[in-house]
Amino acid sequence: EAGVVQSPRYKIIEKKQPVAFWCNPISGHNTLYWYRQNLGQGPELLIRYENEEAVDDSQLPKDRFSAERLKGVDSTLKIQPAELGDSAVYLCASSLEGQFNEQFFGPGTRLTVL
Amino acid sequence: GNSVTQMEGPVTLSEEAFLTINCTYTATGYPSLFWYVQYPGEGLQLLLKATKADDKGSNKGFEATYRKETTSFHLEKGSVQVSDSAVYFCALSDRSGGYNKLIFGAGTRLAVHP
Repeated sequence: EAGVVQSPRYKIIEKKQPVAFWCNPISGHNTLYWYRQNLGQGPELLIRYENEEAVDDSQLPKDRFSAERLKGVDSTLKIQPAELGDSAVYLCASSLEGQFNEQFFGPGTRLTVL
Repeated sequence: GNSVTQMEGPVTLSEEAFLTINCTYTATGYPSLFWYVQYPGEGLQLLLKATKADDKGSNKGFEATYRKETTSFHLEKGSVQVSDSAVYFCALSDRSGGYNKLIFGAGTRLAVHP
């Protein structure tokens, strides 16, 4: 069974440029999460989807971050414009409905903003 | 708010040594507690969990006991192997704000040498 797929694995951009990350969750997992992991820290939740509905986006910086999960399967996280402080690893995870305790994580996208 | 504190790494051990990684938490109510592991180049994986006080979670030779009186969930293994080299994250379930989510510690890197 394929795990959570993320792309790209690495991205280097200059500040003020836009960037997008893509995630394909495990088949059948209707709950999808985006996390940000700063260097030397644990993951912090940005947004959580139940199917195509964003049910918890309280930690998402809405002035520059946006996310979508149009068909309730794969998802895109966008930053526009990127700032130096956005350099981090962006993790996607998925779980079965009601099973938030057991989340399956992708390998992440490492973003470097210069 | 709820939080998790882990011992700082890196922890460096020889093969077959005893491992302890300390984790303490601050939480209202009675959260579930987790250990996730991240092997090099891979996503986080659930290692073990405990859902109530005095529960012991175990997997792959690792154990952790939910200690309510000391608000701790220390990870232990009797004899580590080189393949256990990874970053270990302690986490708790958080329901503040109306949605279940995971709160992670900063992670502890373990390096095991032959």
